[in-house]
Amino acid sequence: DTAVSQTPKYLVTQMGNDKSIKCEQNLGHDTMYWYKQDSKKFLKIMFSYNNKELIINETVPNRFSPKSPDKAHLNLHINSLELGDSAVYFCASSQDWQTDTQYFGPGTRLTVL
Amino acid sequence: KQEVTQIPAALSVPEGENLVLNCSFTDSAIYNLQWFRQDPGKGLTSLLLIQSSQREQTSGRLNASLDKSSGRSTLYIAASQPGDSATYLCAASHSGGGADGLTFGKGTHLIIQP
Repeated sequence: DTAVSQTPKYLVTQMGNDKSIKCEQNLGHDTMYWYKQDSKKFLKIMFSYNNKELIINETVPNRFSPKSPDKAHLNLHINSLELGDSAVYFCASSQDWQTDTQYFGPGTRLTVL
Repeated sequence: KQEVTQIPAALSVPEGENLVLNCSFTDSAIYNLQWFRQDPGKGLTSLLLIQSSQREQTSGRLNASLDKSSGRSTLYIAASQPGDSATYLCAASHSGGGADGLTFGKGTHLIIQP
């Protein structure tokens, strides 16, 4: 039983393309997140989404947009991909962002050529 | 703005030793502090979560402590094993809002020599 799953695991694409990464959690959690782990392995939050309220980290370019069709899914859309977008993207979920453990997906390695 | 620092950045010890990983944070207004483990090419696995009102949490050979006033947390690993080799990350969940939900340190890369 995979708690938080992401697809695809690897994504290689050209600069300027638009791509999406899907995330699903079967834990019944109310809050989902997207994180970016750069080449230096530094992990930084991009978005959190709770009860249809989206909170965006101010440093995230507006080319990135999360979309949640339902509580169990939070997909990440990226427009006009740039070389600097190459990273590993992790989805996570928790019942309550204030007090509960976050459960992470396996990550999606995005390479922009 | 919350900043989380982990020392040391890397650590290599022989199997069987007890060891301590350190984490410090600049803003003491946290809801909790979490320790994660990341294996190469994998996602993060939660190890321990300490609520802001707690002083420590234990799970098996792992013990994590929290001192909010000094902005410090430690992860103690007893009787280390080669399978403990991984990168250990601490993260502070603080009251700045959801997008600041978890601020991570850069991790301690741990190698346990057989």
